[in-house]
Amino acid sequence: AQSVTQLGSHVSVSEGALVLLRCNYSSSVPPYLFWYVQYPNQGLQLLLKYTTGATLVKGINGFEAEFKKSETSFHLTKPSAHMSDAAEYFCAVTTGGGNKLTFGTGTQLKVEL
Amino acid sequence: DTAVSQTPKYLVTQMGNDKSIKCEQNLGHDTMYWYKQDSKKFLKIMFSYNNKELIINETVPNRFSPKSPDKAHLNLHINSLELGDSAVYFCASSPGDHQPQHFGDGTRLSIL
Repeated sequence: AQSVTQLGSHVSVSEGALVLLRCNYSSSVPPYLFWYVQYPNQGLQLLLKYTTGATLVKGINGFEAEFKKSETSFHLTKPSAHMSDAAEYFCAVTTGGGNKLTFGTGTQLKVEL
Repeated sequence: DTAVSQTPKYLVTQMGNDKSIKCEQNLGHDTMYWYKQDSKKFLKIMFSYNNKELIINETVPNRFSPKSPDKAHLNLHINSLELGDSAVYFCASSPGDHQPQHFGDGTRLSIL
């Protein structure tokens, strides 16, 4: 079985500060990991994905994430937060066939002036 | 040219009614999904279809019946609506296993 834990349901940062959203996964087989962003009243948009290969993954809007197998983590970072980054962020994992995505509970990012 | 489109965007109805939500994707993907997002924003998969064949059925009540007339469409019919069905329902599609899923904008279902 696969699962995802996102630490911190709410994260608040100042504009220009580092963004760090935490995600830990549990999987008995090599995972495929994703970060999605959801803006109010919209669907989910893919930020980035890890499949195989390079463990540091770059995504859209300046976000990146590093896959650390030893820590079973896939934390999302952005060097400098912008007001437009305020949204709900979801970490997700899929392993076996059927492409079943298991989501974390989400982290709401607030960016303050 | 919306990739994954759902209709309607909002659905307000009374308990006991039957309603349908439609989903269409123009990405040429083989696999389509229905997810439910509850009031706490938790997302859970309900169904997955691959080229019109049911692949995933996640312990969803029988009142929910998906139908895929072709691989570009996946509709969701709900019978005898209950208060607990109030949620946002998202349709998604993907080209295959381990590939990113593309989501529609959701259908907000409110049961009075």
